[in-house]
Amino acid sequence: KAGVTQTPRYLIKTRGQQVTLSCSPISGHRSVSWYQQTPGQGLQFLFEYFSETQRNKGNFPGRFSGRQFSNSRSEMNVSTLELGDSALYLCASGLERVEFFGPGTRLTVL
Amino acid sequence: AQTVTQSQPEMSVQEAETVTLSCTYDTSESDYYLFWYKQPPSRQMILVIRQEAYKQQNATENRFSVNFQKAAKSFSLKISDSQLGDAAMYFCARSRDDKIIFGKGTRLHILP
Repeated sequence: KAGVTQTPRYLIKTRGQQVTLSCSPISGHRSVSWYQQTPGQGLQFLFEYFSETQRNKGNFPGRFSGRQFSNSRSEMNVSTLELGDSALYLCASGLERVEFFGPGTRLTVL
Repeated sequence: AQTVTQSQPEMSVQEAETVTLSCTYDTSESDYYLFWYKQPPSRQMILVIRQEAYKQQNATENRFSVNFQKAAKSFSLKISDSQLGDAAMYFCARSRDDKIIFGKGTRLHILP
């Protein structure tokens, strides 16, 4: 079974731009979560989707949004990028609750 | 706040020896999952071992085993016969409301 995949793996943007990250969960998994990892804050929960519905949301500004499609693939969008948004963004999937992580997307904001 | 605490920011162990990483957590729930994840320099987060809180038996995966003390809210990871490939950041984590709460991590060095 293929693991969780994330695209792109690396991304460089400038302040004020917006970005969309994509996550394909393990086949059959309906739960998808997103996490932000930075050296200072560690791993922080962004949001979680189950069967196209957002079940849980972390303490991030409205610039961070996400969605899940009927095939369980998920996207997260960050608008009006700030320097502090530079991080590794990890996606995770699971059957009922997430457990397995993708390789991450490294976002650098200049 | 319901948190996960890893009190050892860094640890070192000699190759082939055994090492134990500590983790304590806080929760008011009776049913939850506990995890240990490994994050090597590649940054891929790898699930090492999972424990369901309602199961008293400690989980084991090859050289990795846990000591789960529910009353004490303790969940330590024991790595036996340490190998160079075990060098990584190890995160203890707990499920809560369909999300995972992570500790700050323990960086494990393997000494040849």
